[in-house]
Amino acid sequence: EAEVAQSPRYKITEKSQAVAFWCDPISGHATLYWYRQILGQGPELLVQFQDESVVDDSQLPKDRFSAERLKGVDSTLKIQPAELGDSAMYLCASSPGQGTAGANVLTFGAGSRLTVL
Amino acid sequence: GENVEQHPSTLSVQEGDSAVIKCTYSDSASNYFPWYKQELGKGPQLIIDIRSNVGEKKDQRIAVTLNKTAKHFSLHITETQPEDSAVYFCAASEDYGQNFVFGPGTRLSVLP
Repeated sequence: EAEVAQSPRYKITEKSQAVAFWCDPISGHATLYWYRQILGQGPELLVQFQDESVVDDSQLPKDRFSAERLKGVDSTLKIQPAELGDSAMYLCASSPGQGTAGANVLTFGAGSRLTVL
Repeated sequence: GENVEQHPSTLSVQEGDSAVIKCTYSDSASNYFPWYKQELGKGPQLIIDIRSNVGEKKDQRIAVTLNKTAKHFSLHITETQPEDSAVYFCAASEDYGQNFVFGPGTRLSVLP
C-alpha cells in the first residue's frame, strides 16, 4: 500500500535553532498538505500545495516558517528560529489533486514530532 | 472560514457496546465529511467518509450519518473492541480539498 514518507520521526532542538522536516507524498499525488498538531488537539493546516504552487498558506507563521515543493514532488518545511511553542507533531498529507476524483481524500504520513527545549 | 466542533472530547464504553461521536460544521459550502482514527504516535488514518449527496454510509461496524440541513454528522461504532481505542477526528471540506478543517478530536476508550 502506498504511503506518505516523513523524516525525521523525532527531532529535539533548542530554541533559536533551525529545524527542517521532509515529506515524500504518494506517487502521482498533486496536492500536498503540511499540518501542525499540538498534543490533544486536531491537526491545523499550515500550508497546501497544488503541484509546486502554494494554494493556501494563510495560517503559516511566515516570519519563522517556510515551505517549498520545488519540483512538485517532495516537500520541505523549515522553522527558523524554533520557539518553545513550536513543539508539536508536524504531519504531511497528500491527495490526488484538485479537479480529480478523490481530490479531498487525504492520506497522512506518520508525522515528525518536534520538541523545542 | 469553516469551523468544526466535535463532542464528546472523551468517551469510555464497555467492550461490545456502541459508541457515537457527533460533529457540527459552519460552512454550507462543505460537502465532504471524513472521519480519521489516530493511534498513539501515528498519523491519522481515514476510516470512513460521506459526501453531501448521501445521508448515511456503512462499512461493517462503522457508520456515518449526515444531516446537511442541520449541518451535523455523526460516527457510529457498533460492537466496540479494545482495538477501537484511539482518538477520532471528524473533518469537513469543499469539493476539491479546499478548506479542509478538522474537529478537536474524541478520545475513545473501550474497556474490556
